[in-house]
Amino acid sequence: QLQLQESGPGLVEPSETLSLTCSVSGGSITSGSYYWGWIRQPPGKGLEWIGSIYYRGSTYYDPSLKGRVTMSIDTSKNQFSLKLTSVTAADTAVYFCAYDSSGYYRYWGQGTPVTVSS
Amino acid sequence: DIQMTQSPNTLSASVGDRVTITCRASQNINTWLAWYQQKPGKAPKLLIYKASSLESGVPSRFSGSGSGTEYTLTISSLQPDDFATYYCQQYNSFRTFGQGTKVEMK
Repeated sequence: QLQLQESGPGLVEPSETLSLTCSVSGGSITSGSYYWGWIRQPPGKGLEWIGSIYYRGSTYYDPSLKGRVTMSIDTSKNQFSLKLTSVTAADTAVYFCAYDSSGYYRYWGQGTPVTVSS
Repeated sequence: DIQMTQSPNTLSASVGDRVTITCRASQNINTWLAWYQQKPGKAPKLLIYKASSLESGVPSRFSGSGSGTEYTLTISSLQPDDFATYYCQQYNSFRTFGQGTKVEMK
C-alpha cells in the first residue's frame, strides 16, 4: 500500500514562495499510468484541488491558481513537489498530497499546515 | 470550470437513520464522481468512485448513485463512526470538490 508524506516549512511570509515536497513509499512513483496530486484545505473550509502531475512530467493545474503554481517530480527520490508563488493569507491551509488514481484520490498524505504570515 | 454543489450543508441524524446527500454538477460529468469521508484533523478517505463503485474495505451501508448532473451518497443505517463531513469530487474535467456536508448527531 502506498504511503505519502508531506514536508516543508509551516510558515511562509506574504509574497514569498511556498514549497512543499511529498515523499512516496510502498511503491514507485513511476509505476502505473497515474498522476500525483495536491489538494489544500483552508482552516474550517472545504477541500480545494490545486493540480496534478504525471510521472513523465505533464501537469495540469486549477485555472484559478494557474500562473502561480508549479509541480515537479523527482523519480530518483520518489518524490514530487509543489511551488506556489506570491502567497497571501488566502493560501493559508492544510496541504495534502495524494495519489491520483485516474481522477480520484485513493491514498493521501496526513497533510501539512502552512500559514502565510509575517 | 465545473462547479459542484452539495446539499444539505449540514445534516442532523441519529444512529440507524438512512442518510442521503446530494451532489449536483454544473454540467454533465458522465459518472466521473467520487465521494470521500473526512474526520477532523484527518485526511479524506475514499468511499465511492465512478459514482457507484464501492472502494475496497468500505462498509456496504455506503452506496452511490446518479448520472448526468445529479448524484447521491446514501448511508443505509448510520453508525456512530459515520459522523463526519462528506465531499463529492468530479473528475470529468480537471477536478472539483463540493463544499462538503457535515453529518452531525441529532
